[in-house]
Amino acid sequence: AQRVTQPEKLLSVFKGAPVELKCNYSYSGSPELFWYVQYSRQRLQLLLRHISRESIKGFTADLNKGETSFHLKKPFAQEEDSAMYYCALSRRSGNTGKLIFGQGTTLQVKP
Amino acid sequence: EPEVTQTPSHQVTQMGQEVILRCVPISNHLYFYWYRQILGQKVEFLVSFYNNEISEKSEIFDDQFSVERPDGSNFTLKIRSTKLEDSAMYFCARAQGAGEQFFGPGTRLTVL
Repeated sequence: AQRVTQPEKLLSVFKGAPVELKCNYSYSGSPELFWYVQYSRQRLQLLLRHISRESIKGFTADLNKGETSFHLKKPFAQEEDSAMYYCALSRRSGNTGKLIFGQGTTLQVKP
Repeated sequence: EPEVTQTPSHQVTQMGQEVILRCVPISNHLYFYWYRQILGQKVEFLVSFYNNEISEKSEIFDDQFSVERPDGSNFTLKIRSTKLEDSAMYFCARAQGAGEQFFGPGTRLTVL
């Protein structure tokens, strides 16, 4: 079964602390993994995708196929990082591109 | 960033009524999607639409749902006879291919 699991509903950290938002997936095949973010009163927007291997707003995520994980990390959290974060997967090729989302994790960065 | 707009932002309807949710893409992206999010639950895929026809649909997308792109621009989701459990946020998204999807702000549907 295709599934994305984000075990934490809420992650609360202080400004400057490291952040790790966990994501595990279950997929038979070659998936593409994404992190989407939703800031307060804004739309869902792409933060990262594993194939681009970029760092966006200080966030990075590495696909670990052995552990089937795609955790999102940032060494020093900022208050403006407070948002809802969704991990999602899609089949890599020859597909309609539908996204399968995790439950989401609310990141709260306290001053 | 290509903008996707959705109308209305909030729709309140009585159970059994038909609703039409609209998505207005503003560029030539080819793939269109509808997702929904029931309060407190995850974002769920409903349907994908490519080349003026449904390319994939989920189990949720039963006979009560339909999609079309009637005038080549607006992309609509119709729910024929709404149920209480249809209350949710409905998101439209579009993409050039199987990659980044651009989401609209959502329509909050409340069924009374």
